[in-house]
Amino acid sequence: DAGVTQSPTHLIKTRGQHVTLRCSPISGHKSVSWYQQVLGQGPQFIFQYYEKEERGRGNFPDRFSARQFPNYSSELNVNALLLGDSALYLCASSPTPISGGYTFGSGTRLTVV
Amino acid sequence: AQTVTQSQPEMSVQEAETVTLSCTYDTSESNYYLFWYKQPPSRQMILVIRQEAYKQQNATENRFSVNFQKAAKSFSLKISDSQLGDTAMYFCAFLTGANSKLTFGKGITLSVRP
Repeated sequence: DAGVTQSPTHLIKTRGQHVTLRCSPISGHKSVSWYQQVLGQGPQFIFQYYEKEERGRGNFPDRFSARQFPNYSSELNVNALLLGDSALYLCASSPTPISGGYTFGSGTRLTVV
Repeated sequence: AQTVTQSQPEMSVQEAETVTLSCTYDTSESNYYLFWYKQPPSRQMILVIRQEAYKQQNATENRFSVNFQKAAKSFSLKISDSQLGDTAMYFCAFLTGANSKLTFGKGITLSVRP
């Protein structure tokens, strides 16, 4: 069975640009969460989606947005990129939001220059 | 607000020996889950072990076991018979049903020496 897949694996963007990151959950998982991990720190919660609806949002500016599609895949969008947005972006899927059985993808390494 | 504290930034252990990684947390919730995740250089966050707060029995997974002290809000991970492949960052994490988000500690870098 395929795990959680994220694309792209690496990305370099310039300040002010826009970026879209993609995540495909494990088959049968309806919940997708996004986390930002700055180098040397633990992941920070950005969003959670379940059944295509936003179920939670972390303390991130409105430049960050996300959505979930009918096939439960998800996109994370970041507008007006700042240098501080450079991080590893992790996607996690689970059958339901509170099942706790989160499986993570390998992440997208975003570098903003 | 929930917080997770991992006060040891790094540890080192000889291969085949036992090591314990510490974690404390703070919450007012009564129903929650605790996790230890491993993150090797490949970046993928891998679930090591999970503990439900309502269970008094400590969770075990092969060489990995936890010491869950609910009153003290402590959740340490013991790795027995350490192997070179255990070298990684280890994160303690906390989840409640109230908001369904994982709250992570800062992590600890574990190095296993041959």
